[in-house]
Amino acid sequence: AQSVAQPEDQVNVAEGNPLTVKCTYSVSGNPYLFWYVQYPNRGLQFLLKYITGDNLVKGSYGFEAEFNKSQTSFHLKKPSALVSDSALYFCAVRATGAGKSTFGDGTTLTVKP
Amino acid sequence: EAGVAQSPRYKIIEKRQSVAFWCNPISGHATLYWYQQILGQGPKLLIQFQNNGVVDDSQLPKDRFSAERLKGVDSTLKIQPAKLEDSAVYLCASRIPSGTGELFFGEGSRLTVL
Repeated sequence: AQSVAQPEDQVNVAEGNPLTVKCTYSVSGNPYLFWYVQYPNRGLQFLLKYITGDNLVKGSYGFEAEFNKSQTSFHLKKPSALVSDSALYFCAVRATGAGKSTFGDGTTLTVKP
Repeated sequence: EAGVAQSPRYKIIEKRQSVAFWCNPISGHATLYWYQQILGQGPKLLIQFQNNGVVDDSQLPKDRFSAERLKGVDSTLKIQPAKLEDSAVYLCASRIPSGTGELFFGEGSRLTVL
């Protein structure tokens, strides 16, 4: 069975500071890893994904994520946070060859001016 | 490109009543999912379709939930009879069949069971 853990329910940062939202996963075989963002009363929007290759992947809105196979982690990062980044962030994993994506319970990011 | 369409956006029903949600995926997306998102939790898979065939419905409470995708395009999720614990947002998502593809989500259908 595959699973995702997002250890922090809430992350608070000041605008202009770097941010990190943590994610660890468990899956059989090689993982496909994803980050999605959800704004209030909206569906989830894709941010970025790791499939293979370079461990640092870049995505939308200046976000990036680092894949660490030994630590089974895929943390989301941004060098300089914006107030508009405030939202709910979900990490998801899908095993190679599988159709099902499993999501974490989400981390609420609040960026204060 | 049109996104994933879902309706209705909001539905309030009494327990033991029935409800149906509709989803139209992005054109060309053969894979379609229904997820249940309870407040404070991540989306949980209910059912996955590939074209009009069911790939995974292991987490679907089949005594009360049913879903179909008759022509391999749009899909309907039905709950009958509804329970209080079914209050949630029902998210439809689609993707291309390639295994590396990300999911495209609709806006969701929020169900409140009183």
